[in-house]
Amino acid sequence: ETGVTQSPTHLIKTRGQQVTLRCSSQSGHNTVSWYQQALGQGPQFIFQYYREEENGRGNFPPRFSGLQFPNYSSELNVNALELDDSALYLCASSRTSSRQETQYFGPGTRLLVL
Amino acid sequence: AQSVAQPEDQVNVAEGNPLTVKCTYSVSGNPYLFWYVQYPNRGLQFLLKYITGDNLVKGSYGFEAEFNKSQTSFHLKKPSALVSDSALYFCAVRDPLGSARQLTFGSGTQLTVLP
Repeated sequence: ETGVTQSPTHLIKTRGQQVTLRCSSQSGHNTVSWYQQALGQGPQFIFQYYREEENGRGNFPPRFSGLQFPNYSSELNVNALELDDSALYLCASSRTSSRQETQYFGPGTRLLVL
Repeated sequence: AQSVAQPEDQVNVAEGNPLTVKCTYSVSGNPYLFWYVQYPNRGLQFLLKYITGDNLVKGSYGFEAEFNKSQTSFHLKKPSALVSDSALYFCAVRDPLGSARQLTFGSGTQLTVLP
């Protein structure tokens, strides 16, 4: 196990609702990245947080937003849910002390939008 | 922009035989390359990475990967496959000059090891 935890494990929402997903990073890690993995595809980078600030963003609309807390845990918020938001959401933690750090992933939150 | 291609959606191999899962990449500059494995209903598990140095990288569970700069490839290998190696394998690349340290993943290769 990586020590990265995510909650909840599963979630069902309806179109137009809002959702918050949570991630606790591995001890000693200060960076959290979020990815969306649609069925049958590889993970797609959503954004990354370092020192409580967004440190890069992929091709996702502004209704995807996030937070990082002083203890380095993080939240992913999605507003105005769409059917295509149904996916496995993965968070990964890493220690940004050099450019060679490895991202370690949590088990994911599976979101179904009806 | 960085990209990764995994040309095979599915690879089947008999238990005890060697296995290869292919990956090619495109990135400006020298890449950082990674392999992850995903078991059903689980997150991604790190196997190995290439940063610099020896082109043959050894990782977890007997896996290794060979970096080939001229062919822009980073194929995953194992000398003797186990049924328990059956899973979904992802290759990923990171541009070391990028500020966000984001990983770009391939579409994945489903490995099935037949008993």
